[in-house]
Amino acid sequence: ILNVEQSPQSLHVQEGDSTNFTCSFPSSNFYALHWYRWETAKSPEALFVMTLNGDEKKKGRISATLNTKEGYSYLYIKGSQPEDSATYLCAPGGTSYGKLTFGQGTILTVHP
Amino acid sequence: DVKVTQSSRYLVKRTGEKVFLECVQDMDHENMFWYRQDPGLGLRLIYFSYDVKMKEKGDIPEGYSVSREKKERFSLILESASTNQTSMYLCASSSAGGMNIQYFGAGTRLSVL
Repeated sequence: ILNVEQSPQSLHVQEGDSTNFTCSFPSSNFYALHWYRWETAKSPEALFVMTLNGDEKKKGRISATLNTKEGYSYLYIKGSQPEDSATYLCAPGGTSYGKLTFGQGTILTVHP
Repeated sequence: DVKVTQSSRYLVKRTGEKVFLECVQDMDHENMFWYRQDPGLGLRLIYFSYDVKMKEKGDIPEGYSVSREKKERFSLILESASTNQTSMYLCASSSAGGMNIQYFGAGTRLSVL
């Protein structure tokens, strides 16, 4: 079983703050790194899939970077809004069968 | 829009009962997955399937089995439910290939009493 660590486990920020969290994973046999957002009472939804070292992806105020050599990815949220409150999950993996190993998630709460 | 439908949102069962959780996807995806989610533990893979009648154990398969008789349907079976199987269960599907994102159902919250 891959050891995937996400930090912090939870985070409380004020509206307008920028924030970031970390996903650490084994750098050997790397294939792809997925980020998902899971809002309360909804289904997890994919944010990004990254494969190349140095990859950087952006979606609105959310961006992510990838370092495959040292085995980590950062997720950044600029100017957090209450609607950004969710659990953010990272998952390396993605063999030909698409199997992912999820971290335990970072729970973000944005206070108005 | 991709749709992954789980048969029940909430389910209450008794210890020892045989429990079936059903999942149907409408996008002709090859891969289907069953996860359970427990506080502080993230999503843990129970079983997955990459084709009809094909299945592979995930990280925590003990106490579970699966069935995939049709491409669109993937069932999770708890042969004899136990209280430690009380959890949120999520089904997901994806196209073949390792870079394709997974689409999730709404989840089934199972309580075993």
